[in-house]
Amino acid sequence: NAGVTQTPKFQVLKTGQSMTLQCAQDMNHEYMSWYRQDPGMGLRLIHYSVGAGITDQGEVPNGYNVSRSTTEDFPLRLLSAAPSQTSVYFCASSYHRGTMNTEAFFGQGTRLTVV
Amino acid sequence: GEDVEQSLFLSVREGDSSVINCTYTDSSSTYLYWYKQEPGAGLQLLTYIFSNMDMKQDQRLTVLLNKKDKHLSLRIADTQTGDSAIYFCAEGDSWGKFQFGAGTQVVVTP
Repeated sequence: NAGVTQTPKFQVLKTGQSMTLQCAQDMNHEYMSWYRQDPGMGLRLIHYSVGAGITDQGEVPNGYNVSRSTTEDFPLRLLSAAPSQTSVYFCASSYHRGTMNTEAFFGQGTRLTVV
Repeated sequence: GEDVEQSLFLSVREGDSSVINCTYTDSSSTYLYWYKQEPGAGLQLLTYIFSNMDMKQDQRLTVLLNKKDKHLSLRIADTQTGDSAIYFCAEGDSWGKFQFGAGTQVVVTP
């Protein structure tokens, strides 16, 4: 198993450009989510999905779109990049054990700089 | 994550024990987690504790949970230089959403 794979690892964008951060998992996990990590603020949830075709907003969704057409993939789209979106982005997946959720498995992150 | 709080920095000498503390607010959380992040890497699960447990031990790691005070701690025995990292406390709900603390930077000095 590759686990959770994020691409690209690094990206520089100009203000106003759009792009898609890719995330794929091969563990057949139901739940996938996107977080951004900023210094001193930990990880904040952007969007999450509890299964194919189902997505919902997290704590900081503005400026980002997601879709979940398959169990494996959960891309994050930046519609019009802004310097405030400079951050490290992590994708995570997790699964249920019985009726309760278990730990999240994280990708290696995408370091995004918007100039 | 505003609902999970932890101190931002801890310095410890090699061979000593480290204790990282965390407070959380959501009493409905089913699991509480400790993650480790090394520079330039993603988060790696260290250990977790089910909300109806008081303590969990896993080799050098001991997790203590005080559910009444919503206080979670991670003790690392015999701290090594390889333990230098950022440690995140997190609470999880049944929908796959996790609330993370800001992370505690642990620096191990010789």
